Amino acid sequence: QLQLQESGPGLVKPSETLSLTCTVSGGSINNNRYYWGWIRQPPGKGLEWIGSIHYSGRTYYNPSLKSRVTVSLDTSKNQFSLKLSSVTAADTAVYYCAKDIGNYQTDYWGQGTLVTVSS
Amino acid sequence: DIQMTQSPSSLSASVGDRVTITCRASQSSSNYLNWYQQRPGKAPNLLIYAASSLQGGVPSRFSGSGSGTDFTLTISSLQPEDFATYYCQLSYAFGQGTKLEIK
Repeated sequence: QLQLQESGPGLVKPSETLSLTCTVSGGSINNNRYYWGWIRQPPGKGLEWIGSIHYSGRTYYNPSLKSRVTVSLDTSKNQFSLKLSSVTAADTAVYYCAKDIGNYQTDYWGQGTLVTVSS
Repeated sequence: DIQMTQSPSSLSASVGDRVTITCRASQSSSNYLNWYQQRPGKAPNLLIYAASSLQGGVPSRFSGSGSGTDFTLTISSLQPEDFATYYCQLSYAFGQGTKLEIK
């Protein structure tokens, strides 16, 4: 059974870079059918798709976040990562890592990790 | 940019009721419209993909329809575990969610 687990700091200062890692177990990220991505949810609010990466290295980003987002793969560790630069309080959210089988069809999710942006 | 508008934003219903949630896209993109269910404190769960295909393991009381810019999620007979928030998604854009509550 595929499992995804987010890890990273729960508190980030304004203007700094948020960095999260997703560790995949029970399956390999080296699969050209899948995309690996990030989705976030501010407390009490709706979902926002951030971006994803294909095992080939091709990336896809939400236009509203594209200038600040980088998603990358580390196939040797079966992990993928998110970097979001120049964060503000508006970036406070639960961040989910997820597996997408194409057309944004997200069938596996991590449990989510809350990241708070505050000084 | 694609914008997704869901309606209603909240809905009260009883066990056994038939409910319908709609989702409208700001532009016609594709029919790769997904529906998710999210229970409090949990990650979303994929229910429907490509507008009308039922994800494996999802009860058959859930169904989806639509094309172009207008899509619908229908729950034929509400069960207690169905009271949750539902989101549509087209490409990178999610709807704002519909909270389904017990009447």
